[in-house]
Amino acid sequence: AQSVTQLDSQVPVFEEAPVELRCNYSSSVSVYLFWYVQYPNQGLQLLLKYLSGSTLVESINGFEAEFNKSQTSFHLRKPSVHISDTAEYFCAVTRGTDSNYQLIWGAGTKLIIKP
Amino acid sequence: ETGVTQSPTHLIKTRGQQVTLRCSSQSGHNTVSWYQQALGQGPQFIFQYYREEENGRGNFPPRFSGLQFPNYSSELNVNALELDDSALYLCASSPGTSGYRELFFGEGSRLTVL
Repeated sequence: AQSVTQLDSQVPVFEEAPVELRCNYSSSVSVYLFWYVQYPNQGLQLLLKYLSGSTLVESINGFEAEFNKSQTSFHLRKPSVHISDTAEYFCAVTRGTDSNYQLIWGAGTKLIIKP
Repeated sequence: ETGVTQSPTHLIKTRGQQVTLRCSSQSGHNTVSWYQQALGQGPQFIFQYYREEENGRGNFPPRFSGLQFPNYSSELNVNALELDDSALYLCASSPGTSGYRELFFGEGSRLTVL
């Protein structure tokens, strides 16, 4: 069965420092990969996604993630975090046929920004 | 453009009771999926509806059932509630069923079963 592992439940980091949130998935077939973010008291929203093509994908607010097929990873990075990045970040992978897909989710990583 | 809205936001039930959660999808979206998110865990896929038909289901028992209406709004029904059903229930809509599409989530309904 397909699974997604987010290795850190919490990542504390100082403001303006770089951060990496790790995500590994298990799959022997092609997948679509996603990072969703949940800000305090809000619903989940898409941060970025990898479908095909360039293995490096970027979001509008400075995050990027790199698809690494050999390591089955899709780690999320930001070179300099801001207090407004405080949120929980979820990695997700699709499973199934194109018309009957399910998203398989990691347990989430809470990004804690220290002033 | 109206986003995804869910109701109620919070509710408390006792074991054995039944609950109905509601979701209004984003305008123009014909696909709705439901997820269960237990405390400290990621969302778990319950099922998906496309044009009023269930077209995908996760590993949940039959006492979890749903409906999608002609306006693409949706309901999640849970019968014979158990303590482990306590969770945040998330509804997401999308403009189609394909796996590459972005999901648009509501803020969830938090169910507590006593």
